[in-house]
Amino acid sequence: DAGVIQSPRHEVTEMGQEVTLRCKPISGHDYLFWYRQTMMRGLELLIYFNNNVPIDDSGMPEDRFSAKMPNASFSTLKIQPSEPRDSAVYFCASSLRMNTEAFFGQGTRLTVV
Amino acid sequence: AQSVTQLDSHVSVSEGTPVLLRCNYSSSYSPSLFWYVQHPNKGLQLLLKYTSAATLVKGINGFEAEFKKSETSFHLTKPSAHMSDAAEYFCVVSPHILTGGGNKLTFGTGTQLKVEL
Repeated sequence: DAGVIQSPRHEVTEMGQEVTLRCKPISGHDYLFWYRQTMMRGLELLIYFNNNVPIDDSGMPEDRFSAKMPNASFSTLKIQPSEPRDSAVYFCASSLRMNTEAFFGQGTRLTVV
Repeated sequence: AQSVTQLDSHVSVSEGTPVLLRCNYSSSYSPSLFWYVQHPNKGLQLLLKYTSAATLVKGINGFEAEFKKSETSFHLTKPSAHMSDAAEYFCVVSPHILTGGGNKLTFGTGTQLKVEL
């Protein structure tokens, strides 16, 4: 398996624009996670899905953030409108079952100017 | 609620000397524990995991960790550091299924390991 695949690897956008981050989890994994990493706050869990259903979105910072998982092999994280404080590295991860290790993608480095 | 505390934000060692990265956890039940490594501009890679089997866990690249319930610790060690070990290391706890904590991994704040010649 190729692992968790995220796209794009880098995104630079202007404040106010819509940004969509994409993730393909490892095939057969039941859980998908979206994390955000910044110097100030470290790694934060934004949301996670089980069998394509959002289970916990308490980490989503604001209504500007939304995440979907239309099928078992694809998820998106959308920010609309984007703000400079959204600049961070966003990671997608997947795990086979509950309480097992998560496998991370390479991340998307988002810069909002 | 579960938590992990990484006691050192930065550790510096000389190449060839032992590495010790410290982690303490808090959990109502016996948790699952992990160590991840993150090299600059890379994703997180699993080093090793503890899931209530053997208390001494061996991982990749010569790393190992020992689960000590009496001390609520899960320290990461390596006998001899290599330059390629320079990275950030995260201790992670996963809730026991009985805690009702869902599947939320809790990350420590990370320890930056520097390896000098």
